[in-house]
Amino acid sequence: AQSVAQPEDQVNVAEGNPLTVKCTYSVSGNPYLFWYVQYPNRGLQFLLKYITGDNLVKGSYGFEAEFNKSQTSFHLKKPSALVSDSALYFCAVRGWGGGNKLTFGTGTQLKVEL
Amino acid sequence: NAGVTQTPKFQVLKTGQSMTLQCAQDMNHNSMYWYRQDPGMGLRLIYYSASEGTTDKGEVPNGYNVSRLNKREFSLRLESAAPSQTSVYFCASSETDGTGELFFGEGSRLTVL
Repeated sequence: AQSVAQPEDQVNVAEGNPLTVKCTYSVSGNPYLFWYVQYPNRGLQFLLKYITGDNLVKGSYGFEAEFNKSQTSFHLKKPSALVSDSALYFCAVRGWGGGNKLTFGTGTQLKVEL
Repeated sequence: NAGVTQTPKFQVLKTGQSMTLQCAQDMNHNSMYWYRQDPGMGLRLIYYSASEGTTDKGEVPNGYNVSRLNKREFSLRLESAAPSQTSVYFCASSETDGTGELFFGEGSRLTVL
């Protein structure tokens, strides 16, 4: 069975500082990895994905994520946080051969303060 | 381009009542999904439809039924609502190949008293 762990319920960071939201996964075969963001009372929005190729993936709004196969991690990063980045972030994984079933983590609330 | 549209946005039911959540997408996607979101539990897959005419159970299918009416529409039915089904429900769609991202609706907040 595939699974995702987001070990931090909440991450606090000052505006202008770098941010990291952690994600580790467990899946059979090669993983397809995704990050989504959810603003209050809205649906989830796609940020970025790793399918194959370069381990550093760049996505929307200046976010990037690094795929680390040996550590089974896919941490979300941004060099300089904005107050508007405050939201709920979800990591998700789909295993090869797992069809279209995407498994989500429990989410990490990011709070960026002035 | 509306994307994924869900109705209703809010609903309050009494225990034992039935209702149907409607979902439609205009992106010509083959696959559609129903998730529920509960605090501290992330999103859990209820049912999905890989293509028109097929449906499969997800992680938490008990108490729900689905219908893939056509390529655009995928409905979720609660036959006899229970308080444990109080949740926010999200419909999503994607391309079939497994590498495509999901596009989500705005959600339907359901309260069962």
